[in-house]
Amino acid sequence: QSALTQPASVSGSPGQSITIACTGTSSDVGGYNYVSWYQQHPGKAPKLLIYEVSNRPSGISNRFSGSKSGNTASLTISGLQAEDEADYYCNSYTSSSTRVFGGGTKVTVL
Amino acid sequence: EVQLLESGGGLVQPGGSLRLSCAASGFTFSSYAMTWVRQAPGKGLEWVSEIIGSGGSTYYADSVKGRFTISRDNSKKTLYLQMNSLRAEDTAVYYCAKVEGSVGATKGGIDRWGQGTLVTVSS
Repeated sequence: QSALTQPASVSGSPGQSITIACTGTSSDVGGYNYVSWYQQHPGKAPKLLIYEVSNRPSGISNRFSGSKSGNTASLTISGLQAEDEADYYCNSYTSSSTRVFGGGTKVTVL
Repeated sequence: EVQLLESGGGLVQPGGSLRLSCAASGFTFSSYAMTWVRQAPGKGLEWVSEIIGSGGSTYYADSVKGRFTISRDNSKKTLYLQMNSLRAEDTAVYYCAKVEGSVGATKGGIDRWGQGTLVTVSS
């Protein structure tokens, strides 16, 4: 199972909105609504931001939102803040009943 | 409060074996699928294996299938990962994590994570 494709880096200024794409195939992202997104700060464990494409767990800011179109899922961070600087990973269920992560995207707040 | 505490990591020679444990507390352990995710130094996340709440079904990444075995003891609220025939490319921090319960194993979001245990495979 190949990793999902994410841009290596995305940057934005405080207050701006950025979007991270996660591209897969019809056997993973495109075939199911089981895409999740994670935030990881250096040296820390990942944190769940979005599950089932667009659902936020309790306690997650509504500045984080998820969507999907075809084989590409997206995470949008609005009102970018300094604390959003971190690595972000997408994850999808696959037709083999396994999971696959994206390669990760480093978000830089300028 | 949900807590997941991994143990068992360390240095092992190529071809060797290691068993990781993850002690869980703060939730009804037997009701949730559990998963192992690893992260090689400076690299991204890689899903390793997952097991449903009853332990009756297990799932593996192709990279570890046939070498790693996931299991759980619900009476002890503990998750395990038996790792055999270890290779240098298995060197990573291994995270134990809980899967949120609404849609089942390998589908739900991974909503609670341990702090990880480092496994180093080297001669």
